[in-house]
Amino acid sequence: DIVLTQSPASLAVSLGQRATISCKASQSVDYVGDSYINWYQQRPGQPPKLLIYAASNLDSGIPARFSGSGSGTDFTLNIHPVEEEDAATYYCQQSDEDPWTFGGGTKLEIK
Amino acid sequence: QVQLQQSGAELVRPGASVTLSCKASGYTFTDYEMHWVKQTPVHGLEWIGGIDPETGDTAYYQKFKGKVTLTADKSSSTAYMERRSLTSEDSAVYYCSRRNYDEGYFDVWGAGTTVTVSS
Repeated sequence: DIVLTQSPASLAVSLGQRATISCKASQSVDYVGDSYINWYQQRPGQPPKLLIYAASNLDSGIPARFSGSGSGTDFTLNIHPVEEEDAATYYCQQSDEDPWTFGGGTKLEIK
Repeated sequence: QVQLQQSGAELVRPGASVTLSCKASGYTFTDYEMHWVKQTPVHGLEWIGGIDPETGDTAYYQKFKGKVTLTADKSSSTAYMERRSLTSEDSAVYYCSRRNYDEGYFDVWGAGTTVTVSS
């Protein structure tokens, strides 16, 4: 199974500043030029919500302050400028190889 | 709009079985795979398995094989997950989610069903 390790486990960012979340895969999740990493946001009591797919593509309706980058085994989610409503837990997920696995999550607090 | 409506919370006895449902609307049910994800504080988000509603083909995570059966009813656009021989470890929130075939992401999620296994 591909293991996804997220860091940090939690972070506190001031309103308007940048939040950076890392996701490292135990093996490459690239295939034929695409990186099969997706990012989700989950607020308390709600299901996960797709933010970014294939490492850097924003899902429909997602604000441009969210961005994703990376390839191979190292990926990053950036949020800038951070807003109050961004307080949530963020997960990466790989869709390169069955079983589809998720990272352990990063909890974002807004200061 | 595209929605997945999940069945209500369940309280079940250890050793019992439970069947959860997920009714799709706003899109053609057979155009997308339906998958199920388990969430617990200890293990986080875990993929359980998925089904192609058009063909009935299924795929399961090895960890859940033999304890889960996924089915889909095209006539009612509803997916089902049966969980058997439940233990306290199966207490969790279970989500159904539509999967994009090409990129493999889960783009629509149900609200989740809380299953509590307790005597």
